[in-house]
Amino acid sequence: NAGVTQTPKFRVLKTGQSMTLLCAQDMNHEYMYWYRQDPGMGLRLIHYSVGEGTTAKGEVPDGYNVSRLKKQNFLLGLESAAPSQTSVYFCASRGPGFDTQYFGPGTRLTVL
Amino acid sequence: EDQVTQSPEALRLQEGESSSLNCSYTVSGLRGLFWYRQDPGKGPEFLFTLYSAGEEKEKERLKATLTKKESFLHITAPKPEDSATYLCAVQPNTGNQFYFGTGTSLTVIP
Repeated sequence: NAGVTQTPKFRVLKTGQSMTLLCAQDMNHEYMYWYRQDPGMGLRLIHYSVGEGTTAKGEVPDGYNVSRLKKQNFLLGLESAAPSQTSVYFCASRGPGFDTQYFGPGTRLTVL
Repeated sequence: EDQVTQSPEALRLQEGESSSLNCSYTVSGLRGLFWYRQDPGKGPEFLFTLYSAGEEKEKERLKATLTKKESFLHITAPKPEDSATYLCAVQPNTGNQFYFGTGTSLTVIP
């Protein structure tokens, strides 16, 4: 039982490049979330999903896209990376009801 | 607007010196308030969930309490291994989103 895993752990991009971050969970959770964490800003929600095939915007969705084709996976895409997207990205999942979120280890992304 | 404010931003304690961290919130109906611990370079780790005013939860040296406007995380006789950033989050009863504070960075000096 690995919980929530994220791939890759680190990545450096040049401005304008694209990439996809993968989040996988093996807890059969319905809900999945993508956050970014910046110094002094706390965790901010980018997009989330309430089930397979669904996605919804969070607080800071601009410049990102997501897909939830399989229940266990939640992908975050950057089509044209910008330096402002330099951050640490965390994925989380939770079960139905009031259950807590379980977080992955994070992906540190630098955009030059 | 749903909002979470944590104070202080940073706290240095001597080992054994008890203190409290504060999380004040503004939310249109509270579904749940969550406390997490985050170590450097790692993802947040769940500590407590509180659902209603007056509720208290305890785990080892930590105790979380909840009122209608704020939550406290009390740390009794802390040890150096309690050094971490403590995050507070709220879930409004209107949706599936969570709102996080900016955290309190706790350092416990031996």
